[in-house]
Amino acid sequence: EADIYQTPRYLVIGTGKKITLECSQTMGHDKMYWYQQDPGMELHLIHYSYGVNSTEKGDLSSESTVSRIRTEHFPLTLESARPSHTSQYLCASSTRTGANEKLFFGSGTQLSVL
Amino acid sequence: DAKTTQPPSMDCAEGRAANLPCNHSTISGNEYVYWYRQIHSQGPQYIIHGLKNNETNEMASLIITEDRKSSTLILPHATLRDTAVYYCIVRFPGSSNTGKLIFGQGTTLQVKP
Repeated sequence: EADIYQTPRYLVIGTGKKITLECSQTMGHDKMYWYQQDPGMELHLIHYSYGVNSTEKGDLSSESTVSRIRTEHFPLTLESARPSHTSQYLCASSTRTGANEKLFFGSGTQLSVL
Repeated sequence: DAKTTQPPSMDCAEGRAANLPCNHSTISGNEYVYWYRQIHSQGPQYIIHGLKNNETNEMASLIITEDRKSSTLILPHATLRDTAVYYCIVRFPGSSNTGKLIFGQGTTLQVKP
């Protein structure tokens, strides 16, 4: 069973607030990812990291930023939340191997910006 | 990565086999077929993957046609807890593609009592 945790599970916040979504994994995975998903829609990769001090932007442009100071921790930050940021944010990590790579996902954070 | 086509929705009776099709007619020789599922409001869960041969694990079976242009995910005895969106993904497992799964719309499987 995968051990990847996201907090908070739900967050309702006002416009202009700074927020940080937490993601931690205890599997020692080097690779971690953030996906964004609107209700009934596809998942879109917004950030990824292949290891400590490595971060890259994904295929979908996002105003959020990420950091990777420790292997197990990959937080996502919005400096000034807006209603357009309302969405579900999913964190994932994966093993190193190529064809057998499997992504393990957290339960997600449902963000609502009023 | 090759594009996949899946039916938007399917129903299955509880206890029966659920057969979820996926078309990937443009798949190349080195691309693998992966299946994930997403239960409502949770993160996707890996199910199974394969290249050419049929595969089976504790969750499901994957049948890939000989020409590799299509595949079928089989849940042998569907339960209500198998109600989810099922994603068929074709991907070349190179280092530049790591984690960059294109999930698409998937098939919403509704298992009914």
